[in-house]
Amino acid sequence: EAQVTQNPRYLITVTGKKLTVTCSQNMNHEYMSWYRQDPGLGLRQIYYSMNVEVTDKGDVPEGYKVSRKEKRNFPLILESPSPNQTSLYFCASTALGTAQPYHEQFFGPGTRLTVL
Amino acid sequence: DQQVKQNSPSLSVQEGRISILNCDYTNSMFDYFLWYKKYPAEGPTFLISISSIKDKNEDGRFTVFLNKSAKHLSLHIVPSQPGDSAVYFCAASGLGGGKLIFGQGTELSVKP
Repeated sequence: EAQVTQNPRYLITVTGKKLTVTCSQNMNHEYMSWYRQDPGLGLRQIYYSMNVEVTDKGDVPEGYKVSRKEKRNFPLILESPSPNQTSLYFCASTALGTAQPYHEQFFGPGTRLTVL
Repeated sequence: DQQVKQNSPSLSVQEGRISILNCDYTNSMFDYFLWYKKYPAEGPTFLISISSIKDKNEDGRFTVFLNKSAKHLSLHIVPSQPGDSAVYFCAASGLGGGKLIFGQGTELSVKP
């Protein structure tokens, strides 16, 4: 089954304790992206990657890091989480080189993060 | 600075009637507009899109209308069904980097 998986689905942590949210896709997609969803703000892009070893900042990258060592994986790293990073996080992927790239982004189920 | 806005946080419609969800945007550089649907505890799923060179795109019960002069688009669902109850996000692309700019979302409730 074609899918994007995220782990963990729920996480409660404390300020300053490093954490990683994993994202994996099995569709051989070149493009992967991280979003956060906050009430009244919709989804905002954190980081994206056009292919292995190619990453770039989205609209709200502060406090986050990413890496793309393999095509299927795109982990999101919070080196020193703070309460303002409490949010619902989504990973997404899509194939490039299609007629309308980027549009049908396939989203993971989300990770609800609470930073105390 | 919200470039894509959905000013109605919620909408309630009777089953069988038309649902109309609205979206406004400010950036004339957008070249595609999309609608995503999101159920609770799931990620958004792509629903329908429209190019900026068109004014209408239809897919079954879903039709998206684009009014470029007003920088406004709308999603029509006819007839509405209880299974359509979800949060609908309007999004726009065209700024490069595969970026989708999302609106705040509108929660649609279709009552039997």
